[in-house]
Amino acid sequence: GESVGLHLPTLSVQEGDNSIINCAYSNSASDYFIWYKQESGKGPQFIIDIRSNMDKRQGQRVTVLLNKTVKHLSLQIAATQPGDSAVYFCAEKPPRAGGTSYGKLTFGQGTILTVHP
Amino acid sequence: KAGVTQTPRYLIKTRGQQVTLSCSPISGHRSVSWYQQTPGQGLQFLFEYFSETQRNKGNFPGRFSGRQFSNSRSEMNVSTLELGDSALYLCASSYLTGGAETQYFGPGTRLLVL
Repeated sequence: GESVGLHLPTLSVQEGDNSIINCAYSNSASDYFIWYKQESGKGPQFIIDIRSNMDKRQGQRVTVLLNKTVKHLSLQIAATQPGDSAVYFCAEKPPRAGGTSYGKLTFGQGTILTVHP
Repeated sequence: KAGVTQTPRYLIKTRGQQVTLSCSPISGHRSVSWYQQTPGQGLQFLFEYFSETQRNKGNFPGRFSGRQFSNSRSEMNVSTLELGDSALYLCASSYLTGGAETQYFGPGTRLLVL
């Protein structure tokens, strides 16, 4: 049925700590995954992506891990800063077969990250 | 390179009215997708356009429609507005469609229906 409202998971960390944000995705056939950061009043901002033929990908201060066995994604942020405070979304994209994947990203509910100075 | 732009940024309408939102993709991007974001349902896919053709559509009523122009700019229209249409409407663009294409989002249009 319809949800009354999403209750987003929250993660609170101290500045300088490492943060790990987790996401369970739904479609075992999805072959592309993206992490987005959304600050208040703004649209989602691309952080990092990973294709299903990889287990790990690193960017600047961020690492994404993909575990296809349990359909799990995680985003690791090193040396978290107050400017990292935002809502973080994972998104998955199903494969192209049948044309049903055109443009469509399926988003997780999001995780609120709060970084305390 | 300029990012995705959306106009207007804020809009207030009353029930029964219609609204048109505009999106200009990143230069060179040919795919435009629209999403609705609400506190209750999160981010939900509305539809996607590529080369002026709708390629995919989410589970929204026919009151929600869109189009894409030859310059890749896109508009979405919501007719007969309902209170539940109050949301942040996000547009995202990518170079191609299908496959592992990163979508880049605009700032959104916040629509309030009274």
